[in-house]
Amino acid sequence: AQRVTQPEKLLSVFKGAPVELKCNYSYSGSPELFWYVQYSRQRLQLLLRHISRESIKGFTADLNKGETSFHLKKPFAQEEDSAMYYCALISRGGAQKLVFGQGTRLTINP
Amino acid sequence: KAGVTQTPRYLIKTRGQQVTLSCSPISGHRSVSWYQQTPGQGLQFLFEYFSETQRNKGNFPGRFSGRQFSNSRSEMNVSTLELGDSALYLCASSLARGSGQTQYFGPGTRLLVL
Repeated sequence: AQRVTQPEKLLSVFKGAPVELKCNYSYSGSPELFWYVQYSRQRLQLLLRHISRESIKGFTADLNKGETSFHLKKPFAQEEDSAMYYCALISRGGAQKLVFGQGTRLTINP
Repeated sequence: KAGVTQTPRYLIKTRGQQVTLSCSPISGHRSVSWYQQTPGQGLQFLFEYFSETQRNKGNFPGRFSGRQFSNSRSEMNVSTLELGDSALYLCASSLARGSGQTQYFGPGTRLLVL
């Protein structure tokens, strides 16, 4: 069964500190992994995807197939990073069916 | 380009009634997926439509149905509403099916069932 687990519902760090949001997945095969973000009063939007291997707003995420993890990291947190973050996977092969984790609410304290 | 739009934004219904929600994808996008978001269950996949055909369905009862029109606009319908159907219903569109597609989400329709 496809499953995404985000072990932390809430995460609070100080501005300038490193941030790591954890994501583990269960999937038999080779999925595509994503991080979506939802800022206050805004719609859900894509932050980054593992196949593009790019850094968005200073965030990076590395897919570790051995540990089935896709943790999101940023070396220096900023107050505008406060938001709800969702890790999600989609199976390769066509279906536009995202499986989401429960989300982590990140709060950056000044 | 205009983003994904959903109407109505808010809806209040009573148990037993039915409801229809509408989604207009980004111009040129042909794939539309629907999700239900609740505090308890999080974001759960409902359906995927492409070329007016349902391609995938999530684990929801038959009271939940949908369709897609030739202009890619999509509607979902929930019949015989239950209290547990209260949720934020999100629609997402992508250019096509297949790997590498990005789903763009609408603002959602918040449904309250009394």
